[in-house]
Amino acid sequence: AQSVTQLDSQVPVFEEAPVELRCNYSSSVSVYLFWYVQYPNQGLQLLLKYLSGSTLVESINGFEAEFNKSQTSFHLRKPSVHISDTAEYFCAVKVNQGGKLIFGQGTELSVKP
Amino acid sequence: DTGVSQDPRHKITKRGQNVTFRCDPISEHNRLYWYRQTLGQGPEFLTYFQNEAQLEKSRLLSDRFSAERPKGSFSTLEIQRTEQGDSAMYLCASSLGGQGMGKNIQYFGAGTRLSVL
Repeated sequence: AQSVTQLDSQVPVFEEAPVELRCNYSSSVSVYLFWYVQYPNQGLQLLLKYLSGSTLVESINGFEAEFNKSQTSFHLRKPSVHISDTAEYFCAVKVNQGGKLIFGQGTELSVKP
Repeated sequence: DTGVSQDPRHKITKRGQNVTFRCDPISEHNRLYWYRQTLGQGPEFLTYFQNEAQLEKSRLLSDRFSAERPKGSFSTLEIQRTEQGDSAMYLCASSLGGQGMGKNIQYFGAGTRLSVL
């Protein structure tokens, strides 16, 4: 069975500071990896994904994540955060041939001025 | 393309009543998924369809829950005899199914928030 652990439930950070949101997963088979963002009272928006190829993936708004197979991690990073990045971030895995996503418990990123 | 649409956005009901939610997926997507999200938690998988066939159901989906996708387009999720523990956000997602990198990305609707009094 697969599982996802997000190591920090809350991450407070000042504006323009760097941030890393940690995600580790457990799986005996190959997986696809995703980061979703959720703003208050909204659904989930796909932030970025690792399906294959380069282990470093980037989003259009400056986030990046690196797939590390040996450490079974997919940490999310941004070199300089904005107030508008305040949201809940979810890491998820999907078994390649399966349907469902398995989510971590989420990390609440709070960016302070 | 208007994305995944869910209706209603909010539902307040009394314990013991039945409720039904609707999800309209992205038009060309053949897979449709239901998840439940409680406060402070990540979404938990409930069930999914490929076209009109229900391919997987979670143990979370008790006998009081039923989902349908009769024509392979929209889907409904019904909860009978609601309990206070059913209070949650119910999320619907859709994707293309099959092989290929672009076919494994799930797009989510805004969700239906259920409050059982």
